[in-house]
Amino acid sequence: GAGVSQTPSNKVTEKGKYVELRCDPISGHTALYWYRQSLGQGPEFLIYFQGTGAADDSGLPNDRFFAVRPEGSVSTLKIQRTERGDSAVYLCASSLPGTSYNEQFFGPGTRLTVL
Amino acid sequence: RKEVEQDPGPFNVPEGATVAFNCTYSNSASQSFFWYRQDCRKEPKLLMSVYSSGNEDGRFTAQLNRASQYISLLIRDSKLSDSATYLCVVNTLYNFNKFYFGSGTKLNVKP
Repeated sequence: GAGVSQTPSNKVTEKGKYVELRCDPISGHTALYWYRQSLGQGPEFLIYFQGTGAADDSGLPNDRFFAVRPEGSVSTLKIQRTERGDSAVYLCASSLPGTSYNEQFFGPGTRLTVL
Repeated sequence: RKEVEQDPGPFNVPEGATVAFNCTYSNSASQSFFWYRQDCRKEPKLLMSVYSSGNEDGRFTAQLNRASQYISLLIRDSKLSDSATYLCVVNTLYNFNKFYFGSGTKLNVKP
């Protein structure tokens, strides 16, 4: 079946601009995660949704970052007033809690470059 | 201090070798443990969960040492296709859905 998909695969923007990154989880997966991965580092937790609600947003670095999942499926990560330090690969993952030790299935990521 | 620490490597080994990686975690309340594999410019994929009693999946063996707060991954009879970065992942009893990833250990298997 279809895995997690993310769009766009690459995004180049200028400092100060607004960007939206989209994630389509595996159908039926109620849990959705956003991570940020910088070069040479592991994924860094940003936010976790269970259904429509953000159950844990403690990883969002500041108030320029916001994420929504209005219908409990697709999620959008929004970054306002982008800065060069926001450049990274943004990964989305989904899982079905209560199964297989909560295995997360990752999408291919969106590579964000802020010039 | 980072939640999860790994030796970044790279570990350069010949085909057929046995190689082991360790990963240490700082929070004694850590509850679940995993090894993920990440190929260059690809997304992470679950390799195996790590059970308290240790577990084996083919050429891969994972062990957990709660007293010393580390987990290990042993790869026997290395293949060229094992070349990748191996990420150690933990979560805690108090926040089961927040996962902490290590920076990864890079493995290069040479012919």
